[in-house]
Amino acid sequence: SQTIHQWPATLVQPVGSPLSLECTVEGTSNPNLYWYRQAAGRGLQLLFYSIGIGQISSEVPQNLSASRPQDRQFILSSKKLLLSDSGFYLCAWNPALPGTNYGYTFGSGTRLTVV
Amino acid sequence: KNQVEQSPQSLIILEGKNCTLQCNYTVSPFSNLRWYKQDTGRGPVSLTIMTFSENTKSNGRYTATLDADTKQSSLHITASQLSDSASYICVVSAGEKKGTYKYIFGTGTRLKVLA
Repeated sequence: SQTIHQWPATLVQPVGSPLSLECTVEGTSNPNLYWYRQAAGRGLQLLFYSIGIGQISSEVPQNLSASRPQDRQFILSSKKLLLSDSGFYLCAWNPALPGTNYGYTFGSGTRLTVV
Repeated sequence: KNQVEQSPQSLIILEGKNCTLQCNYTVSPFSNLRWYKQDTGRGPVSLTIMTFSENTKSNGRYTATLDADTKQSSLHITASQLSDSASYICVVSAGEKKGTYKYIFGTGTRLKVLA
């Protein structure tokens, strides 16, 4: 069965510090991978998605970047965090099968607080 | 513009009572509609998925309805339990060219069940 792992669960970082959140998927190959951010009281905002190794699409220009160094690994990074980067970050995946509509399977999330 | 609106924004009910959450959407072309449950500090988990031709779908005490004509969906929770306290998110997918899908998220309804 497929599983998705996301870590760390919580993170408190000072303004200006770097960030690295990691997400891995097991039990599948060539998944579509996504990073979402959920601000308090607001809906999920798509940040990045990837359809393959090294292929990253950005939905919203911002202080963050994403990388996919391996097929089932997706990393969210920042060189210098801003206060506005605080939020709940979710990694998600779905099968990369054209013409299908599987929705998402989400990771457990990372609560980032920038102080 | 593709949009998903949920109401109410928040809801408090007593344990054992029933409740209904609403989702209105303007998404085209409609593919399917999902309800997710998101416990505090966790990733969303899928409850139900409904396609254009489905009117009702149940998952235990959760029953989702879909009216494709009025573009409305509801999630009915029967005999609520304390563990039902969570955010409930409506997600509508729209078909795009090349056989891919775009997912539009509602902002969620925050349900609190009191003993």
